[in-house]
Amino acid sequence: SQQGEEDPQALSIQEGENATMNCSYKTSINNLQWYRQNSGRGLVHLILIRSNEREKHSGRLRVTLDTSKKSSSLLITASRAADTASYFCATGSSNTGKLIFGQGTTLQVKP
Amino acid sequence: GAGVSQSPSNKVTEKGKDVELRCDPISGHTALYWYRQSLGQGLEFLIYFQGNSAPDKSGLPSDRFSAERTGGSVSTLTIQRTQQEDSAVYLCASSLARTGTNTEAFFGQGTRLTVV
Repeated sequence: SQQGEEDPQALSIQEGENATMNCSYKTSINNLQWYRQNSGRGLVHLILIRSNEREKHSGRLRVTLDTSKKSSSLLITASRAADTASYFCATGSSNTGKLIFGQGTTLQVKP
Repeated sequence: GAGVSQSPSNKVTEKGKDVELRCDPISGHTALYWYRQSLGQGLEFLIYFQGNSAPDKSGLPSDRFSAERTGGSVSTLTIQRTQQEDSAVYLCASSLARTGTNTEAFFGQGTRLTVV
């Protein structure tokens, strides 16, 4: 079974707007990561946030982590048509060594 | 190589045949992961290797699936007696260390398997 649940499943916005995606998980983690996938093939790592961190920024990306609620959010600011892709959260655990993915959010940014 | 390499990119096979999928990770990466992704779905964890050993095989869907890794490098995922429900994209990833140690995973482009 998968660890993460993502919300919403699909999101459609206009270029320039912000996009927010949420991820919830079930077990204890060492880190939470966000990945992007274009065209159903290889995933690209976007950002990693450690369990002792609450917020992290990378360019137009902002990630928050609330370990008490077992949830994370990814905010993409000033979206561009090129941001259209599927976004996945993944949790890493030192206990298991696994990297477990959620079901993903499909983002469409309209020009 | 510079990235994770998977071969073949696409594979069409007849039901009942065996297939081998290959993953060549980034040099020096000790952890290697296999995932399966059906159309429009998330990534289903199959197995991961730390070096040549596989501490967790719990994700393998059935005993028709097996995987090995030799020399701490190349890994092969074998599916015996393929079924139509095995059709999916099989993704491989590697990381410098176990992901619990806060390292990112690098993905190959996947092998699209179609069982007809």
